[in-house]
Amino acid sequence: AQKVTQAQTEISVVEKEDVTLDCVYETRDTTYYLFWYKQPPSGELVFLIRRNSFDEQNEISGRYSWNFQKSTSSFNFTITASQVVDSAVYFCALRPQMSFDQNFVFGPGTRLSVLP
Amino acid sequence: AAGVIQSPRHLIKEKRETATLKCYPIPRHDTVYWYQQGPGQDPQFLISFYEKMQSDKGSIPDRFSAQQFSDYHSELNMSSLELGDSALYFCASSIQGSGYGYTFGSGTRLTVV
Repeated sequence: AQKVTQAQTEISVVEKEDVTLDCVYETRDTTYYLFWYKQPPSGELVFLIRRNSFDEQNEISGRYSWNFQKSTSSFNFTITASQVVDSAVYFCALRPQMSFDQNFVFGPGTRLSVLP
Repeated sequence: AAGVIQSPRHLIKEKRETATLKCYPIPRHDTVYWYQQGPGQDPQFLISFYEKMQSDKGSIPDRFSAQQFSDYHSELNMSSLELGDSALYFCASSIQGSGYGYTFGSGTRLTVV
């Protein structure tokens, strides 16, 4: 079975604070992709990052960084110097790479509120 | 770059009516996925199509049906609508076998009154 857990339901921070969103996943697949999506109040799902299970290098993109640790099945997302525009629901998702049926399994999401 | 196009963007229907949602995948993408996201929920997989054939089925009610046409666009048909069907419906497309290019459309917000 595949499962994604985002233990933090809601997080509130003050602007310019750093914040880390946790994601823990379960899968029996040896190859898979992990994703983070942002869902702002307008509702669309905005792609942030895709990580292949073979690539454990951490990645930084501007104020965003991701820490993938296969040993602990975690794929955490950090926003540095948060801004009000970062306020959104963030979903972590898992997708098998090799199976024919490649639908996503989403986590329940973390609602981030960045206060001015 | 072309994205996944969904129409309509918003739809209001009454109970027991029928609704049809449309999805136009990215050109050359052969697989389409439908997801339903209820209020405060994460997106749930409904159904997918590969090369116009149903490839996987998730938690799609029997009142719903979908198909993929020869031009690869897909339609989700929902009949006997219930209040609980009010949700955001996402379509995504990809190239089968690739972890790339799995792009979501902007969604259709269906409200059943």
